[in-house]
Amino acid sequence: GNSVTQMEGPVTLSEEAFLTINCTYTATGYPSLFWYVQYPGEGLQLLLKATKADDKGSNKGFEATYRKETTSFHLEKGSVQVSDSAVYFCALRGGGSQGNLIFGKGTKLSVKP
Amino acid sequence: DTEVTQTPKHLVMGMTNKKSLKCEQHMGHRAMYWYKQKAKKPPELMFVYSYEKLSINESVPSRFSPECPNSSLLNLHLHALQPEDSALYLCASSPGVWSNQPQHFGDGTRLSIL
Repeated sequence: GNSVTQMEGPVTLSEEAFLTINCTYTATGYPSLFWYVQYPGEGLQLLLKATKADDKGSNKGFEATYRKETTSFHLEKGSVQVSDSAVYFCALRGGGSQGNLIFGKGTKLSVKP
Repeated sequence: DTEVTQTPKHLVMGMTNKKSLKCEQHMGHRAMYWYKQKAKKPPELMFVYSYEKLSINESVPSRFSPECPNSSLLNLHLHALQPEDSALYLCASSPGVWSNQPQHFGDGTRLSIL
């Protein structure tokens, strides 16, 4: 079945550091890939998406590229801020039963000033 | 600002109470979802509605009863809950169940069972 594996963290960085959160997936067909962010006490917000191979999703300085050859969708940001502290979920949709969202376990990011 | 609105934001109830969670979206989406999220875990799918009909029930106990009165509204009726049901309950919507488009989430209802 479809699955998502992401580094679980927690990840602690200093402000302005470079961020990478690794995400790999297993899926049949051609899924869409997403990164969601959950700030403390809130619901999930869609951060970025990619719907086909080699697509690059980007938003708020975050980027991720859909790499079919390595089945990966790593999240990157060149310079993190304290306000980026949150839990990040990698997810896929499509190819499975009724296109349900399949989540990774989440990665908690803490950014220190 | 979220396009999926959930009420209430917080709910405390006893094990014998009956309460309801509400969710509303005005994006014209035809699929709506209920998720349960425990601390430090990803959301777990509970129910899926497609065109106002229940499409998936992920073996959820009958003390949780979903309802979809129209294409914009989704309710979750709660009765005789257990302490382990304390969690964040998230509603989401998407254009369709077969679409590869993202699901859009509300801010959730944080439920505490005494």
